[in-house]
Amino acid sequence: EAQVTQNPRYLITVTGKKLTVTCSQNMNHEYMSWYRQDPGLGLRQIYYSMNVEVTDKGDVPEGYKVSRKEKRNFPLILESPSPNQTSLYFCASSLGRGQGLEQYFGPGTRLTVT
Amino acid sequence: GENVEQHPSTLSVQEGDSAVIKCTYSDSASNYFPWYKQELGKGPQLIIDIRSNVGEKKDQRIAVTLNKTAKHFSLHITETQPEDSAVYFCAASRPGSARQLTFGSGTQLTVLP
Repeated sequence: EAQVTQNPRYLITVTGKKLTVTCSQNMNHEYMSWYRQDPGLGLRQIYYSMNVEVTDKGDVPEGYKVSRKEKRNFPLILESPSPNQTSLYFCASSLGRGQGLEQYFGPGTRLTVT
Repeated sequence: GENVEQHPSTLSVQEGDSAVIKCTYSDSASNYFPWYKQELGKGPQLIIDIRSNVGEKKDQRIAVTLNKTAKHFSLHITETQPEDSAVYFCAASRPGSARQLTFGSGTQLTVLP
């Protein structure tokens, strides 16, 4: 089954404790991205990657890191999480960076930072 | 950069009635406008999209209209059913943008039985 998987689905952590949210897709997609969803703000892009070893900042990159060492994986790293990073996070992938290509979203990771 | 505004933030309709969600965009270069549906506990999923060379597109009970001059586009759902209850996001994209999509703030649609 074609899908985007994220782990963990739920995470409660404390301020300053480094964490990684994994994302993997099995569709051989080139383009992957991370979004955060907050009430009233919709989906905001954090980082995106157009291919292996090619990443760039989205609209809200502060406090986050990413890497793309393999085509299928795109982990999101929070080196020192803070309470304002409490949010619902989605990983997404699409065939390429071309316009009009459907983005496939993972099921989401709900992160709480206390 | 692009800014997409979406209204209303919440919408309740009776089953069988129609629902309309509206979005406006700021970048006149944007030419691709998808709509995503997010069911509870799931990620958003594409339900319909429209390009700027088309004024309207239909797919069964859902339709999208686009007014390029006014820079707004709308999602229309007819004969609503309980399974239409979800959060709906509009988005806009301009050619050549590596960031692909700018999303609206979302509309929580509730279809009352």
